[in-house]
Amino acid sequence: EVHLVESGGGLVQPGGSLRLSCAASGFTFSGSWMSWVRQAPGKGLEWVANINLDGSEKYYVESVKGRFSISRDNAKNSLYLQMNSLRAEDTAVYYCARGWTYESWGQGTLVTVSS
Amino acid sequence: DVVMTQSPLSLPVTLGQPASISCRSSQSLVSSDGNTLLSWFQQRPGQSPRRLLYRVSNRDSGVPDRFSGSGSGTDFTLKISRVEAEDVGIYYCMQGTHWPPFTFGQGTKVEIK
Repeated sequence: EVHLVESGGGLVQPGGSLRLSCAASGFTFSGSWMSWVRQAPGKGLEWVANINLDGSEKYYVESVKGRFSISRDNAKNSLYLQMNSLRAEDTAVYYCARGWTYESWGQGTLVTVSS
Repeated sequence: DVVMTQSPLSLPVTLGQPASISCRSSQSLVSSDGNTLLSWFQQRPGQSPRRLLYRVSNRDSGVPDRFSGSGSGTDFTLKISRVEAEDVGIYYCMQGTHWPPFTFGQGTKVEIK
């Protein structure tokens, strides 16, 4: 059974940083593109970033370019999202998702950016 | 960016009755290899999203056959043949043909009358 478990969320001040992690199991992690998708409180879904199999290709939504960095460690079956220069509008539940079209999702981790 | 527009945004339905959600894209979702990367997701209250359908009409494992998808080009539809109580939630369409960015519809809230 596929399992994706996010961690690392919390309360951070504007301008601060957080690193999210996603531990994967139940599938061949190194054989799957991986993504981060977020959902602001009471809002819809927004793709944030994705990464190819070996981490050599990374793509971001315009609003996070230069501030967020996606990475992966295939030896540890883990996906990461380094978030810097956080803004109030980054407040959301962040989900990691497997595959090109998100065939599996984690339970999400809440990031709150507030002073 | 491809804009995905869903309608209606709110859908009250009677148990056992059919329901239909429309999703329209601002440009054709047919890719250069002939695939149409249009997916549907269900998000039940308090839960993570779950993919129901991919490439327009292919059901994911464990998805009841009362869910079906159809459409082509820019117009797509999710149908529930007979709504059950467990179908309450928000439904999103998403395109993966023209990216980045991947884009979602605004979501359609399905509730029981």
